[in-house]
Order: sequence, then C-alpha cells, then structure tokens
Amino acid sequence: DVKVTQSSRYLVKRTGEKVFLECVQDMDHENMFWYRQDPGLGLRLIYFSYDVKMKEKGDIPEGYSVSREKKERFSLILESASTNQTSMYLCASGIGGRNQPQHFGDGTRLSIL
Amino acid sequence: LAKTTQPISMDSYEGQEVNITCSHNNIATNDYITWYQQFPSQGPRFIIQGYKTKVTNEVASLFIPADRKSSTLSLPRVSLSDTAVYYCLVEDNQGGKLIFGQGTELSVKP
Repeated sequence: DVKVTQSSRYLVKRTGEKVFLECVQDMDHENMFWYRQDPGLGLRLIYFSYDVKMKEKGDIPEGYSVSREKKERFSLILESASTNQTSMYLCASGIGGRNQPQHFGDGTRLSIL
Repeated sequence: LAKTTQPISMDSYEGQEVNITCSHNNIATNDYITWYQQFPSQGPRFIIQGYKTKVTNEVASLFIPADRKSSTLSLPRVSLSDTAVYYCLVEDNQGGKLIFGQGTELSVKP
C-alpha cells in the first residue's frame, strides 16, 4: 500500500514565522502535490512537482514556496506565515498525468496565531 | 475556466443506491474525471476514474454522458461506513488546472 506521511498532524505557529511542512511518500512516485482545504472552498492546489527540483505553481501559490531535493520528499514552506494561511494542508503523490489517481496523506492542521 | 458544481449534502438509508452528480463545463477534452472519498481527519481516497460512458469497479460506478459536461458517481447499496464527503476532480481545458468540486457530504442512516 502507498503511504504518504505528513510530518505533523497539528501545528501552531506565530505570524511572521517561517513554517516548514514536510511530506514523504514511499512508492517512488514522480508527482507530488500540496493542497490546502478550507470549509466551503474544497481542495485548492498550491504547488505541484513532477520530478526532483521541478515544480509548477497551482491555483494559490502566493505566500508559499516548495522544495523537492529528493524524489520521496516534498516540502511546503510558508515564507512569512499569516493568519489567512490557517488551514488544513494535504500532501499527495501519484504517477502519470496530474489527474491520475493521487494518494493523500492525512493532513496537517496548521494554525497561525 | 472549468467550474464544478456538486450538491452540498445528501441523505440516504442503508441498502439504497446513491447517485451523486457533478456538473463540470470547460473540462479538458482528453483527460479523465476522477472521484475521491474523504472521511473526517483523513486525506481523500481515490474511488474511481473514467473518460466516457460507464466505468465500474468493486466499490462504485461512474456514468459520463457523451458531452462530458457532467458525471454521476453511483454507490450501490450504501452502508453506514459510506458516510463521507465525495469530491469530483477534473482538469480545465485551458492551462490544465486541476479543479476539485466543493464536495458532497453523504449521510447514510440506519
């Protein structure tokens, strides 16, 4: 079974901090994704990576950056956290096209105070 | 830009068939329509994917009309454990953006 592991289930940070969310997958998938999930807005894609060191902006990349130095690990970085980045963050991995089945982690609920 | 519309919520009883429709215009002509299931405190889980007509697997069926402007997820004989939120996912026909539906909260009652 594919396992996508997010480093924290819950995280509390302060405004202005630099925040790192880590995601690791164990199935050698080329594609990795970061989404945020908000009530009434569903899932929105922040960034997508199709290979090591390769990335594409999603729908809402502002305020975020990503890093993919190894195939199995995809990091989401909040450069200077703000309260409007309080959300559930979901990481996923997959192969083939972007709309091929994705395997999701269980999410990190991030609160920015 | 593609836009998806799903009912916000649906109620059902155990043993019934449930059909959830997602309307999606302006989707990519050469890409799939995908459905996910999400339980509380978990990430979404892939259920089924199709391109056109009908697809069936061990848990669901997916019906896609010829114009591909909608898709219907069919869950046969639901049980209490099917209570979850169901999302459709399509790709936009301009720029290839992934567009998730808002999700349909299905509640199955005994």
